[in-house]
Amino acid sequence: DAGVIQSPRHEVTEMGQEVTLRCKPISGHNSLFWYRQTMMRGLELLIYFNNNVPIDDSGMPEDRFSAKMPNASFSTLKIQPSEPRDSAVYFCASSLHGTGVNQPQHFGDGTRLSIL
Amino acid sequence: DAKTTQPPSMDCAEGRAANLPCNHSTISGNEYVYWYRQIHSQGPQYIIHGLKNNETNEMASLIITEDRKSSTLILPHATLRDTAVYYCIVRGNTGNQFYFGTGTSLTVIP
Repeated sequence: DAGVIQSPRHEVTEMGQEVTLRCKPISGHNSLFWYRQTMMRGLELLIYFNNNVPIDDSGMPEDRFSAKMPNASFSTLKIQPSEPRDSAVYFCASSLHGTGVNQPQHFGDGTRLSIL
Repeated sequence: DAKTTQPPSMDCAEGRAANLPCNHSTISGNEYVYWYRQIHSQGPQYIIHGLKNNETNEMASLIITEDRKSSTLILPHATLRDTAVYYCIVRGNTGNQFYFGTGTSLTVIP
């Protein structure tokens, strides 16, 4: 079975440029999560969606960050304009929510983002 | 969600059982214990979870104390590929978030 698929795996760009990270969740999962991982702050939840609807975006650092989920099989995380402090590994995860049974989240392999 | 406490690092000899402890003394009745691991440069990998009964799957066993204030993840025969950071997480049944702490860095030694 295909897991969570993220693209690109690596992204290097100059500050001020727009960055778009992509995620395809596991088929049938109805919750999707975006995380960011840095050495200083560890793994942080940025935003999550249930049934394509954003539920909690309190972890989004600032207005430069935005996330969309136009359908059940695709989500994007966009940074515009990007800054060097946005350099991190960004993970997408998906899970099955609302079945009454506690369900694990399954993570992709992440996008390693470097802003020069 | 309840806070967890884990030792920052542990070593284990290859082929031996790795026993990773986790303290969650403030856990409440409807909160589950989850274990994930993260191998360098990969995404966190789900291992196992449980509520109050001991659980076993193809990867590991989870032993939860009767008062549920602590648990132990057991890798029965550790291999070099089990070298990773292991995270113990407590999450309620209605919560949709995982709060990853600093975890335990396990090194399996040849």
